[in-house]
Amino acid sequence: EVQLEESGGGLAQPGGSLRLSCAASGFTLSSYDMNWVRQAPGKGLEWISFISRTSGIKHYADSVKGRFTVSRDNAKNLLYLHMNSLRAEDTAVYYCAREQWDPFDLWGLGTLVTVSS
Amino acid sequence: DIQMTQSPASLSASVGDRVTLTCRASQSIASYLNWYQQRPGKAPTLLIFGASSLHSGVPSRFSGSGSGTDFTLTISSLQPEDFATYYCQQSYSAPRTFGQGTKLEIK
Repeated sequence: EVQLEESGGGLAQPGGSLRLSCAASGFTLSSYDMNWVRQAPGKGLEWISFISRTSGIKHYADSVKGRFTVSRDNAKNLLYLHMNSLRAEDTAVYYCAREQWDPFDLWGLGTLVTVSS
Repeated sequence: DIQMTQSPASLSASVGDRVTLTCRASQSIASYLNWYQQRPGKAPTLLIFGASSLHSGVPSRFSGSGSGTDFTLTISSLQPEDFATYYCQQSYSAPRTFGQGTKLEIK
């Protein structure tokens, strides 16, 4: 089955760090650009990061630039989001999403990150 | 950044109704407009890409139209499973901004 599965969410303290993972199965991750999108409780979708197939191009939303880093290991079919200097406003469900040319055609189930002391 | 504005923010309708949701871009995005459906507690799923192309497996009661700055998503005959929140997204330029969503509720 073609799917994405996020992991690594949980409770973090303000100023702390977390690493999210996104495991791809049923398809070859290296064939696709990938994105991270988050959704704060009761709010809409916010795109936060993009990484190209070979990691040569990376983009970040202003809200996370300088604090979050996206990476991938195509050999392991894994996508990562390294989150540092976490803030309360980073509390959200984080989704990884596959990009098929333009649209995000496959989404994971999401992993909840809560930033609180 | 390109701003995406959806209207209305919420809409009440009945099973069998025809509904139209609107999305407006702050600048021309040609046909680089996608629509997603998000049911409560679930991840978003792609409905329409390129403004009017139906994603694989999406029922034909969904249709999209528009180009430039103004776009619409139409559901021809609402089914119970269609009550959800709908988001538009532009894929014309980075960042890939989303609209704030339209919540479709049962009347």
